[in-house]
Amino acid sequence: EVQLVESGGGLVQPGGSLKLSCGASGFTFSGFDIHWVRQASGKGLEWVGRVRSATHNYATAYAPSLRGRFTISRHDSSTAYLQMNSLKTEDAAIYYCAIYYEINAFDIWGQGTTVTVSS
Amino acid sequence: QSALTQPASVSGSPGQSITISCTGTSSDIGGYSYVSWYQQHPGKAPKLIIYDVSSRPSGVSNRFSGSKSDNTASLTISGLRAEDEADYYCSSLTSTDTQVFGGGTSLTVL
Repeated sequence: EVQLVESGGGLVQPGGSLKLSCGASGFTFSGFDIHWVRQASGKGLEWVGRVRSATHNYATAYAPSLRGRFTISRHDSSTAYLQMNSLKTEDAAIYYCAIYYEINAFDIWGQGTTVTVSS
Repeated sequence: QSALTQPASVSGSPGQSITISCTGTSSDIGGYSYVSWYQQHPGKAPKLIIYDVSSRPSGVSNRFSGSKSDNTASLTISGLRAEDEADYYCSSLTSTDTQVFGGGTSLTVL
């Protein structure tokens, strides 16, 4: 079964850092671009950014409002990462990783990991 | 990049049809045929229901259909059922090779 599993969420103080992981199973991870999407409590989906595959030189892109604080990377064994720095209370959300697996849209999602930013 | 514009809520009775609009710009919806729609039930991850403006993934009911005109995409759900009650989000590729989502629409089946 094709699966994505996020981990690393938790409680962090404002100004702190956190690194989330996206693990994959059931498919050849290295061939796919990995996207991160977040959702604050009671709010809508927000695209965070993506890291492309080796074929596309691991190019990254970010939502303009997050550029500079968030960094996406990957180890092509089977994991991608979202490094979040200088966290703000408004960064509190469920963070999902997602891929275009068979079609040009996010057809595979993880279950999400929750980030809480509070003092 | 600003979020795509969706109505906050829509409602309909069982058996009826509803349409959710998603308005963007020529730099996203108007410029590409990479519009997708997602259904999200409370506490669950989003589920893809429409991609490439009007295509349905395998296993998604043909009661769901999508279209696009200029800078506005639309999702139509026909023959409303109680289980269709959920939040719906549109998404598009943008001219800067990023993605953008709509603000989401809450569907109530009366």
